[in-house]
Amino acid sequence: AAGVIQSPRHLIKEKRETATLKCYPIPRHDTVYWYQQGPGQDPQFLISFYEKMQSDKGSIPDRFSAQQFSDYHSELNMSSLELGDSALYFCASSFQDSSYEQYFGPGTRLTVT
Amino acid sequence: KQEVTQIPAALSVPEGENLVLNCSFTDSAIYNLQWFRQDPGKGLTSLLLIQSSQREQTSGRLNASLDKSSGRSTLYIAASQPGDSATYLCAVSRISGGYNKLIFGAGTRLAVHP
Repeated sequence: AAGVIQSPRHLIKEKRETATLKCYPIPRHDTVYWYQQGPGQDPQFLISFYEKMQSDKGSIPDRFSAQQFSDYHSELNMSSLELGDSALYFCASSFQDSSYEQYFGPGTRLTVT
Repeated sequence: KQEVTQIPAALSVPEGENLVLNCSFTDSAIYNLQWFRQDPGKGLTSLLLIQSSQREQTSGRLNASLDKSSGRSTLYIAASQPGDSATYLCAVSRISGGYNKLIFGAGTRLAVHP
């Protein structure tokens, strides 16, 4: 079965640089979520999109932005990177049926040096 | 504000033991609860999802129960194996405006030794 695809899997950037993370949801899933997991931390919700519109927003810094495109893939753009942005970034997708079960991608490990 | 707590934070058991992982949440108005497994530095694998109207779910050696009124869930692992060693996370969701997000606990780090 198709799963959530994230690219790249690993990314190394320097402070103040910009990074773009991509997420391809499971086919026919209409909702995409982004989560950030810092070292030794639990995942924290950043932002979500339903049918290409932002549906909810969590603790996402103003330096970050995201969007969902017509083909339902989503991109998380991070500017002015800081050392504290080093984390695993997960994308999840779901279909708004009765369960709302979220399926997670393998994550992108971002290292800011 | 929803808070999710998992006890114990870490657990080390010999192979073959049955064990229970605990998860509690402060706001009982949840939509569903998911249990995940995470290997070090890896992604999240969904193990079981329990909708708020359900009491338990089973998959193989895993059984998860939910008591929404008391804000508790347990994950029971039968006949533990070294391959079960991982961090187990529980997460709850609440539907708001038709959309949901997961609130995670800090996880239980499980080590099963031969």
